[in-house]
Amino acid sequence: GEDVEQSLFLSVREGDSSVINCTYTDSSSTYLYWYKQEPGAGLQLLTYIFSNMDMKQDQRLTVLLNKKDKHLSLRIADTQTGDSAIYFCAEGPADKLIFGTGTRLQVFP
Amino acid sequence: DTGVSQDPRHKITKRGQNVTFRCDPISEHNRLYWYRQTLGQGPEFLTYFQNEAQLEKSRLLSDRFSAERPKGSFSTLEIQRTEQGDSAMYLCASSTDSLEQYFGPGTRLTVT
Repeated sequence: GEDVEQSLFLSVREGDSSVINCTYTDSSSTYLYWYKQEPGAGLQLLTYIFSNMDMKQDQRLTVLLNKKDKHLSLRIADTQTGDSAIYFCAEGPADKLIFGTGTRLQVFP
Repeated sequence: DTGVSQDPRHKITKRGQNVTFRCDPISEHNRLYWYRQTLGQGPEFLTYFQNEAQLEKSRLLSDRFSAERPKGSFSTLEIQRTEQGDSAMYLCASSTDSLEQYFGPGTRLTVT
């Protein structure tokens, strides 16, 4: 079946790196996504990676994909207080995304 | 472009009443998606349109739910005979190429 799992909570100090992890089960997934949701707001697409890639870097964000273990991670370098939010991973096909339960990232000074 | 908009932002209704939500996608986005998000969970796919055609519906979309996109622009989601279990955030998203979905702020439904 289709299931996407994430740890519920992560707390980091401002300036440190954050690593948010995700595991998925559908080996046929073609795209894997990271979204950010701030309180009371919709979801903001951060980045996505094709399933035939191992890594993608976009400014402070680095996505790593281990297809063998069905494990996806999002690393945020130099984490800021504005990064505090809930982060969702999602697997595709892109027209029918399956989302994880989200990881709440709290950044403290 | 102002992004995806949804109306209303909040709706409180009594059990058994019908409600209708509207989503206006980003201009020229031909794909439009509806999701439902309950507290502490990620969004769950409900349905999507390519232009005016409804191409897929989740099994979560019971007979009480209906979605339309009559002119291929805005979309409506109607829930008939609402139940307390329908209380959730209803999210709309749009895209051009199906790779990048842009989400609206959502409509929060509370059924009392």
